[in-house]
Amino acid sequence: AQTVTQSQPEMSVQEAETVTLSCTYDTSESNYYLFWYKQPPSRQMILVIRQEAYKQQNATENRFSVNFQKAAKSFSLKISDSQLGDTAMYFCAFILRGGSNYKLTFGKGTLLTVNP
Amino acid sequence: DSGVTQTPKHLITATGQRVTLRCSPRSGDLSVYWYQQSLDQGLQFLIQYYNGEERAKGNILERFSAQQFPDLHSELNLSSLELGDSALYFCASSAPDVYEQYFGPGTRLTVT
Repeated sequence: AQTVTQSQPEMSVQEAETVTLSCTYDTSESNYYLFWYKQPPSRQMILVIRQEAYKQQNATENRFSVNFQKAAKSFSLKISDSQLGDTAMYFCAFILRGGSNYKLTFGKGTLLTVNP
Repeated sequence: DSGVTQTPKHLITATGQRVTLRCSPRSGDLSVYWYQQSLDQGLQFLIQYYNGEERAKGNILERFSAQQFPDLHSELNLSSLELGDSALYFCASSAPDVYEQYFGPGTRLTVT
């Protein structure tokens, strides 16, 4: 079974600064996807960024980028130029590629607060 | 707006009752997933449907059941409700052969 661990329950950052959220996962498989989802106070789950395990290049989406270290099973999210609207719970998620079961396995989340 | 719709937004009901949560996937998506988010269990996968057929089951209780209809909308039925069933229930959908899942706004269920 796959597990996802987010070791930082809460973090805070000043507006315009950079913050990195950590995620590690455990799997014996080699072909999978990793995602970061954002859940603001509205409770909506919003897909932020995805990484395909077979790609070495780290994914980037505007101010959001990841540091994917496959051997270390680490998948951190970097938010640059933090904005007040980035305040949210962030979830790291894992999904196996192939097969018929497309369930997402989530970490417990990191609550990020961006301070003015 | 993800394009996934869920109704109702909020539901308050009593123990022992039965409720139905409804989800409409994004246009073109054939897969529907149901997740439960609670304070103690976090986000848990319940069940997946693909084009009307059950594809995978997760930590879904026997008191819970789901189905996906020919128009691809899905319903999650929760019966003999207990206080511990109070949670946020999300529906998500994905396109064929695509792994990204897009979530609806959720239904907050409160069992009193």
